[in-house]
Amino acid sequence: DAGITQSPRHKVTETGTPVTLRCHQTENHRYMYWYRQDPGHGLRLIHYSYGVKDTDKGEVSDGYSVSRSKTEDFLLTLESATSSQTSVYFCAISDPAGGGETQYFGPGTRLLVL
Amino acid sequence: QKEVEQDPGPLSVPEGAIVSLNCTYSNSAFQYFMWYRQYSRKGPELLMYTYSSGNKEDGRFTAQVDKSSKYISLFIRDSQPSDSATYLCAMRFGNEKLTFGTGTRLTIIP
Repeated sequence: DAGITQSPRHKVTETGTPVTLRCHQTENHRYMYWYRQDPGHGLRLIHYSYGVKDTDKGEVSDGYSVSRSKTEDFLLTLESATSSQTSVYFCAISDPAGGGETQYFGPGTRLLVL
Repeated sequence: QKEVEQDPGPLSVPEGAIVSLNCTYSNSAFQYFMWYRQYSRKGPELLMYTYSSGNKEDGRFTAQVDKSSKYISLFIRDSQPSDSATYLCAMRFGNEKLTFGTGTRLTIIP
């Protein structure tokens, strides 16, 4: 998984509670991404970061926030979890240096919101 | 209509067969094309990466891009049970973000 870890790997939580997912990389890549994967929708981008403290929204960012205080860590927070946020969450990294951007994915976090 | 369309399958073929997986797209600006393989309960892993039109071969895998038809393909020769996975196509243009297909689930029957 290209030096990417995600924690926790599985989580069950209740509606209305805050949840934070962590992505940690050892590749020193500049870009980091959070996706969610759902049946029939494929991978959808939630938020991404192009450097420390530099983040931007993806196509499904409502209800999510992110932070990146160090190159190696990218946090995804669900401020008040809803059942529609039950999904598998993947972190990805990339480094555009070298002429082409390809993304490498972490192992995923399975989140169930009851 | 989605920008990238991919038949979800499932697709089942006997071991040793040639597998053809395909994606169509609507945005003619796409210029970088990728195929990812995802095993059950794992993250996607990059399998093939091509730029613009043409073919690229890597072992038993061949990626083909036809920009005039807005169609990309992944061929797997001599398919093995270990090739059973979901295959995702992805594409982008310039510095834009990747757009993914929904994935095709493939099973190779021994």
